[in-house]
This record gives sequence, structure tokens and C-alpha cells, in this order.
Amino acid sequence: EPEVTQTPSHQVTQMGQEVILRCVPISNHLYFYWYRQILGQKVEFLVSFYNNEISEKSEIFDDQFSVERPDGSNFTLKIRSTKLEDSAMYFCARRQSIMNTEAFFGQGTRLTVV
Amino acid sequence: AQTVTQSQPEMSVQEAETVTLSCTYDTSESDYYLFWYKQPPSRQMILVIRQEAYKQQNATENRFSVNFQKAAKSFSLKISDSQLGDAAMYFCAYRSADDMRFGAGTRLTVKP
Repeated sequence: EPEVTQTPSHQVTQMGQEVILRCVPISNHLYFYWYRQILGQKVEFLVSFYNNEISEKSEIFDDQFSVERPDGSNFTLKIRSTKLEDSAMYFCARRQSIMNTEAFFGQGTRLTVV
Repeated sequence: AQTVTQSQPEMSVQEAETVTLSCTYDTSESDYYLFWYKQPPSRQMILVIRQEAYKQQNATENRFSVNFQKAAKSFSLKISDSQLGDAAMYFCAYRSADDMRFGAGTRLTVKP
């Protein structure tokens, strides 16, 4: 199973600061997702990204969030001004094509906002 | 958005016994995939088993099997001969071409 690498594995930030979470892609994987999981609870969908564009986003994904894949490199999730309630595990997932593969998850980034 | 429901927040099974985790989903799509993911304390999401909606035959992976009832939109996971290492959170997931959603999870405890 192809590995998905997320960096950092753990980040502590002060409320109001900007954070960038990174997901290392595989070149032929076209679909990317970000999910978050608060305190071991349910896995919440944030955003999906295809062909360098957001294809779908949830209500959670407000103006504080943004995603990009600059120059075809890392797929990033940016939180502009973190809030305490942003503390969670953030998972990147990716898949190769529309239907014939499952999504592969990264190991997650634990974000702690203090 | 599609919805995925796991009605059992917690389940417990005796080692070597069999346990079934329930999952139902709601969709208007005819072509989709269903998955069970395991999340151990390490927090990694590990694929356990997957089922293509167009296949009538239930997927099986060693001790893990599913009971896929397409008309009822039900997708349960059966774990046979449960082992201590099976203890984890289990998430049911639905995926169509544009969408992937998870259930709320079931925490499985395995008693020695």
C-alpha cells in the first residue's frame, strides 16, 4: 500500500496563529481530501481537491481554511487564525482515480491550539 | 451529502468469538464503494475491507467479512475469531465518484 506522509506529526500553536499542514503526494494520485477528528470522535470531512481545484467542501471549511497544491508539490491545508476548537487530528487522504481505488490515509497531524 | 450511520458507539467481544458491527448508509447513487477502516490507538486509518456496490458477492479478507445488503443499504462487518489486536475504533465509509463520508465509528473492545 502506498504510503502517505503528513508533516508535521504534531504541532502546537497559539490561538490566532496560522498553521500549515502538509501532505506529500504521489505523482499519479489526483484526488485529495482533508478530514479532521476531534478527540477520537467521528471523522469529519473538510474538503476535497481535484485538478488543482476544490471540488467540494463542508460547512466546517470556512474562510479560515484554505488548501493548495503549489507547483504540484505538497498538498497543504492552511488554517489562518487558529481557534481552540481547531485542536484535532487532521488526516490527509488521496486516491488515484475516480472509482477504482480506495483512499489512502496519512498518519495524521495532531494539532493542539493553546 | 451522503450519510453513513453506525448505530453502535461501543461493542465488546470475547477473544476468539465473533462480533458484527453495523453500518447503514443513504445514497441515491447506483455506483459506489463501501469500506471499513480500523483506527488503532496509533490513530492511523487502516483499510480493513472494501465492497464494490455492483458486486453481489460479499467481500472477505481472512477473518473479516461483510454482509452487504444493497436494497437495505446495509453494510455490516463481521470479525471472526476475534483477537486482542482487533481492539480499535472501526469506521464505516461510503465513497462515490465525488464524495467520501464516514460513520461516527464503533469502539471495539476485545476481552481476553
